[in-house]
Amino acid sequence: AQTVTQSQPEMSVQEAETVTLSCTYDTSESNYYLFWYKQPPSRQMILVIRQEAYKQQNATENRFSVNFQKAAKSFSLKISDSQLGDTAMYFCAFRPTRIQGAQKLVFGQGTRLTINP
Amino acid sequence: GAGVSQTPSNKVTEKGKYVELRCDPISGHTALYWYRQSLGQGPEFLIYFQGTGAADDSGLPNDRFFAVRPEGSVSTLKIQRTERGDSAVYLCASSLGGGVTEAFFGQGTRLTVV
Repeated sequence: AQTVTQSQPEMSVQEAETVTLSCTYDTSESNYYLFWYKQPPSRQMILVIRQEAYKQQNATENRFSVNFQKAAKSFSLKISDSQLGDTAMYFCAFRPTRIQGAQKLVFGQGTRLTINP
Repeated sequence: GAGVSQTPSNKVTEKGKYVELRCDPISGHTALYWYRQSLGQGPEFLIYFQGTGAADDSGLPNDRFFAVRPEGSVSTLKIQRTERGDSAVYLCASSLGGGVTEAFFGQGTRLTVV
């Protein structure tokens, strides 16, 4: 069974600073996808960034980038020039690409990120 | 609609009662998912529909939980004989297909069993 671990329950930084959220996972699969989702107080999960395991290049979306270390099974999220609107819960998630179980997202426990003015 | 819609937004029920939670996916999305998010935890998978059929219901915790999607659009999650441990946010998501296309989430229903 796949597991996803986020070891930082809470983090807090000043506006405009850079912050990195950690995520590790455990799987025997060779092909899979990894995601970071943001969940503001509205409860709606919003996709921040996605990484395909077979791609060596780290994904980037504007101020958000990942450091994907496949051998170490590590997938961290870096937020540059943090903004007050980045305050939210952040969840790391895993999804295999094989047919069986391919539709399930397995989530970590989340990291509560607070951006202070 | 423009996004995934879930109703009600909040539901308070007494222990032992029956509840129904509704999910209206994005128009044209054939795949629909239900997740449960307990306080302070990440969402946990419950069930996945492709069209009208439940393709994977391995996450349903017991036979008190049941979900339907009779016309391949709106889905209803049904919980019988509710228990206090069922209190959680129930999230619904939909996607264009069953592959790794982006899943769009609704705002969830917060269920409180008293």
